[in-house]
Amino acid sequence: GAGVSQSPSNKVTEKGKDVELRCDPISGHTALYWYRQSLGQGLEFLIYFQGNSAPDKSGLPSDRFSAERTGGSVSTLTIQRTQQEDSAVYLCASEDRGVVTEAFFGQGTRLTVV
Amino acid sequence: AQSVTQLGSHVSVSEGALVLLRCNYSSSVPPYLFWYVQYPNQGLQLLLKYTSAATLVKGINGFEAEFKKSETSFHLTKPSAHMRDAAEYFCAVSDGGGSNYKLTFGKGTLLTVNP
Repeated sequence: GAGVSQSPSNKVTEKGKDVELRCDPISGHTALYWYRQSLGQGLEFLIYFQGNSAPDKSGLPSDRFSAERTGGSVSTLTIQRTQQEDSAVYLCASEDRGVVTEAFFGQGTRLTVV
Repeated sequence: AQSVTQLGSHVSVSEGALVLLRCNYSSSVPPYLFWYVQYPNQGLQLLLKYTSAATLVKGINGFEAEFKKSETSFHLTKPSAHMRDAAEYFCAVSDGGGSNYKLTFGKGTLLTVNP
């Protein structure tokens, strides 16, 4: 597609529920990243995919967070048993690692846990 | 490990005035450096980047930044502010070597432009 697309744009969920956030990267981009943007912590790296593999998932804050990528394209970030501190904007970015470094970001999913 | 410090969480300038947003970094290896802009309810847009080529980097919308290794700085400037420049600006660093995929961001600087 023309840019990185994330859905939903907004999500309100009850504490304890599971949520899935979706990212459609730019076609052909082999690398995909998830970041979290929150008032207290700023922008934090969560996970990096190269193809369908995740060589670096060091930023996932707990085992309630997981992510997968299929077909070298779409990625899903899943948060289980959501907590209020999970409220944040989740940003996805993709990059063509074969060219000069530049990550393109989506508009994000604003997650609110009530 | 890398880190980024942005001096001033909020900068206010008049339209037509010089914009200067400060960024200092810490990195144990030669860094790649970036400035991103975020408009309300939007994602991050790359303004410019330094990847070990020319130390003075020109970006979009009239912005530029200079990499100064001796000062570990990468300050963002624009000679004349426009109302449309009002946004939040983030400086970021990545490892210029094997781990150059991971961006470490500063806390951001909110730029206000007054008419």
